[in-house]
Amino acid sequence: GAGVSQSPSNKVTEKGKDVELRCDPISGHTALYWYRQSLGQGLEFLIYFQGNSAPDKSGLPSDRFSAERTGGSVSTLTIQRTQQEDSAVYLCASSSQTGPNEKLFFGSGTQLSVL
Amino acid sequence: AQSVTQPDIHITVSEGASLELRCNYSYGATPYLFWYVQSPGQGLQLLLKYFSGDTLVQGIKGFEAEFKRSQSSFNLRKPSVHWSDAAEYFCAVSTGGGNKLTFGTGTQLKVEL
Repeated sequence: GAGVSQSPSNKVTEKGKDVELRCDPISGHTALYWYRQSLGQGLEFLIYFQGNSAPDKSGLPSDRFSAERTGGSVSTLTIQRTQQEDSAVYLCASSSQTGPNEKLFFGSGTQLSVL
Repeated sequence: AQSVTQPDIHITVSEGASLELRCNYSYGATPYLFWYVQSPGQGLQLLLKYFSGDTLVQGIKGFEAEFKRSQSSFNLRKPSVHWSDAAEYFCAVSTGGGNKLTFGTGTQLKVEL
């Protein structure tokens, strides 16, 4: 696609439910990143993928959070037993390679609201 | 651990006035520094980046930033602000390990007409 696509754009769920957030990176981009943007917290790194493997998942807040990437393309971020503090915008980004001089392209995010 | 501080949460400027957004970083090695802009409902867009060399870097939309190692700063500037510049601005440092970015908490810019 032309850009990084995330779905859904908005998700409202009840506390305790599981949610899946999807990211479709730019075609051919091998690196994929998930960030979380909370009010007053800025953007927090969650996890990144190089291909289908995740060399760094240090930012995942708890074991309720998991992510996978298949076929070196689409990634899914899953939050189990959602809590109100999980409410945030979840941003996905991709780049053609990993490395500090590679430009990140961000999607518009998924706004998650946990009631 | 690396960190980025943006001391100004909100800034309001008049259209046509100059702008400076502050950013301070804490990182032991030579930093890779970035400024991103986020307009309402949109993803982040890279304005400019610094890796090495000339400490004054030019970006898109007429923005520039100056790296000052002695002050651990990477302030963003624009000589004349346009109403369309109203957005949230994030400073970030790349800490290696892929392109993992540590972001500041952002500065919300409001432009008065």
